[in-house]
Order: sequence, then C-alpha cells, then structure tokens
Amino acid sequence: QVQLEESGPGLVKPSQTLSLTCTVSGGSISSGNYYWSWIRQPPGKGLEWIGYIYHSGSAHTNPSLESRVTISVDTSKNQFSLKLSSVTAADTAVYYCARGGTVGDYVGYWGQGTLVTVSS
Amino acid sequence: EIVLTQSPGTLSLSPGERATLSCRASQSVSSSFLAWYQQKPGQAPRLLFYGTSTRVTGIPDRFSGSGSGTDFTLTISRLEPEDFAVYYCQQYGSSPQTFGLGTKVEIK
Repeated sequence: QVQLEESGPGLVKPSQTLSLTCTVSGGSISSGNYYWSWIRQPPGKGLEWIGYIYHSGSAHTNPSLESRVTISVDTSKNQFSLKLSSVTAADTAVYYCARGGTVGDYVGYWGQGTLVTVSS
Repeated sequence: EIVLTQSPGTLSLSPGERATLSCRASQSVSSSFLAWYQQKPGQAPRLLFYGTSTRVTGIPDRFSGSGSGTDFTLTISRLEPEDFAVYYCQQYGSSPQTFGLGTKVEIK
C-alpha cells in the first residue's frame, strides 16, 4: 500500500518561497508508470491541481501557477518536492502530495495534507 | 481549461434517503475521464470512482457513478451516517486537470 507524507514549514512570509517535500513509502517512486502530483486546497474552498512530475524528472504545472512553481524529484530518497515562489496570502492552503494526476490518470493515493499559512 | 460545475452546493437529507449529485462540464470530458472523491473534515479526499463509473475497491455498492460527455452524476441510493461529507468531481482527460467546487451532503 503506497503511503505519502508531506513535510515542510507551516508558516511562510509573504514574498518568500514555500518549500514542501513528499516522502513516498510502500513502493518505489520509480516503479510503474506513475506520475506524482501536488494539489492544494485553501481553507474552506475547493481543490486546485498544481502540477506533477515523473520519476525521469519530466514535470508539468498548472498554467495559472507555472511561473512560480518548481517540482523536482529525488529517486534516491523516494521523494518529490514543490517550490512556490513569491507567495501571498492567497497561497495559504492545505497542500497535498498524491500519486496520479496526469492526463488519463486519476489521483488514487493522497498524503494527509499539510497546512501552509502565508503571513508576516 | 474545463470548468466543472457541481450542483447543488449543499444537499440536506436524512439517513436512508437517496442523494443525487450533479457535475456538469463546460466541454466534453475526454474518454469519460471523470472521477469522484469524498472528503470528510480534516481528511484528504478519498477516491470513489474513476472512468465515470468504475467503483474503487471497498466503496459500497450504494454508491454509483454515471454519465458521459458533459453531464455526470454520483448517486447514493440510501444514505448512511458515514456518507455525510463533501463530494468533488474531477476531470483528468485534459490539462489542466480540474475539480468542481464540491457538493456538501449534510444531515437534515
């Protein structure tokens, strides 16, 4: 059973860079034809897909966030990461890492989510 | 981008009643790549259906998914206490993948 766990600071100052890591257990991030995604949910609101990455390092991001998002993968640690630059209060959300999310692939496994608050 | 409109926003029903949730897409969803998720407070979403109507292992058969093109439906035949939650539809047939804003099924 694949498990995912997000980690990173829960508080980020405006204009700084949000950095999160997702650790995958119960399977290799390099096995199977899976993509690995980041999805976020502002408090009390709906879900927004941020982007995904393949174990090869090929990544794709939501055009609405593309200029600020970097997604990377470290197969040796079975982890993938998210960086979101120039954050504002609008980036306050629960951030989920997940397996799936590319075109043609639903999101089958989710991390428990981590709340990141943007505030000075 | 495909916009998904879910209705109603809130559904107030009693246990044992039937729930019908709608998800309408702004354009046709490719290959019926439509999923439904259930989310309870403080939890991550849980996948219920993918490919419009394929039920995930462990999901009770009182849940059913149907539809095609731009109109999709999630039906819960008889609500159990544990079914009161927020339900989201998601299309993953074209990029960017998008979610609806959700339907909250609450106890009347």
